[in-house]
Amino acid sequence: EADIYQTPRYLVIGTGKKITLECSQTMGHDKMYWYQQDPGMELHLIHYSYGVNSTEKGDLSSESTVSRIRTEHFPLTLESARPSHTSQYLCASSADRESGAFFGQGTRLTVV
Amino acid sequence: QKEVEQNSGPLSVPEGAIASLNCTYSDRVSQSFFWYRQYSGKSPELIMSIYSNGDKEDGRFTAQLNKASQYVSLLIRDSQPSDSATYLCAVKTYKYIFGTGTRLKVLA
Repeated sequence: EADIYQTPRYLVIGTGKKITLECSQTMGHDKMYWYQQDPGMELHLIHYSYGVNSTEKGDLSSESTVSRIRTEHFPLTLESARPSHTSQYLCASSADRESGAFFGQGTRLTVV
Repeated sequence: QKEVEQNSGPLSVPEGAIASLNCTYSDRVSQSFFWYRQYSGKSPELIMSIYSNGDKEDGRFTAQLNKASQYVSLLIRDSQPSDSATYLCAVKTYKYIFGTGTRLKVLA
């Protein structure tokens, strides 16, 4: 069973606020990912990391940033939230190129 | 052309029937292929992985891969109403590329 945790599960926040979405995994996976998904729509990769101190932007233009100071922790930060950031944010991790990615339960963000 | 293509559905099958879900991909160097199940409002759950041409069976699920045709499929035998969900095909290169998913409805 995959052990990857996201907090908070739900967040309603005002425009202009700074927010950090937390993601932690206890599996020792090197690779971690952040996806954004609107209801009924496809997943879009916004950031990924292959290990400590390694981060890359994904395909979706994003105003967020990430950090990877520890293997198990991959937080995503929005410096100034906007209503266009309203979405579900999914964190995932994988062991190697041949294994599938395991997802956390997601954070549903609403910016008002 | 999208990198991973799936019919969005919905695909409706009666309970007990075989559901057949299909996926095509464009990148010939892709080596790893996955099927995920996603219930409404939930995160994707990995159900099958396949790396070699042919069939791979796991319980009621069979994944089929044809690299020459760049085609991956998922068969669900004895479909149950609890199988009603969106099924996502994913292809791994240096990242996971997901299709838009096929919505499956199993009618009781």
